[in-house]
Amino acid sequence: GQSLEQPSEVTAVEGAIVQINCTYQTSGFYGLSWYQQHDGGAPTFLSYNALDGLEETGRFSSFLSRSDSYGYLLLQELQMKDSASYFCAVLAYSGAGSYQLTFGKGTKLSVIP
Amino acid sequence: KAGVTQTPRYLIKTRGQQVTLSCSPISGHRSVSWYQQTPGQGLQFLFEYFSETQRNKGNFPGRFSGRQFSNSRSEMNVSTLELGDSALYLCASSLEGGTTYEQYFGPGTRLTVT
Repeated sequence: GQSLEQPSEVTAVEGAIVQINCTYQTSGFYGLSWYQQHDGGAPTFLSYNALDGLEETGRFSSFLSRSDSYGYLLLQELQMKDSASYFCAVLAYSGAGSYQLTFGKGTKLSVIP
Repeated sequence: KAGVTQTPRYLIKTRGQQVTLSCSPISGHRSVSWYQQTPGQGLQFLFEYFSETQRNKGNFPGRFSGRQFSNSRSEMNVSTLELGDSALYLCASSLEGGTTYEQYFGPGTRLTVT
């Protein structure tokens, strides 16, 4: 089976930096994705890491260490609109040439003034 | 390009009834995945369809089933509804599935079972 662990809640101040961690246990690991979901909205894709290292997209960066089965999402210059739930998701081989995306339970980020 | 659409958006059913939810993927996308989302449980994978074939299946009872049509539209069915089936059901599409890590989600269908 597969399991992912991420904090359930994080609070940070507007303008600050916050890191959301994700650890996983899975077989057939292929890569790690991050999604954002605002209350009442649909999840939207943020980033993807297949190789070790840091990927930067504007204010958001994502990191992966395959040897540690660990990744994180880094949000810089926090804005109030960043208040949302963030999900890490593992892409893993599920057999017969197909892959499956498995989501963590999500981290609710609250940005305060 | 139009996004993923799901119908209906809201549904109230009684325990024991059955329900069918519909999903229209982004034009050109051939893979459709379904997820159940409940508070504190994240998104739990139900199944994925690609070219009218179920390619992956999550750990849900047989009461949950789905299908995909030749135009890539997909439906999921839940029979003999239970109170615990109350959830937001999300559908997501992607071009090929496979190693696609980027899925496009619809707004979901909020199902309430009373």
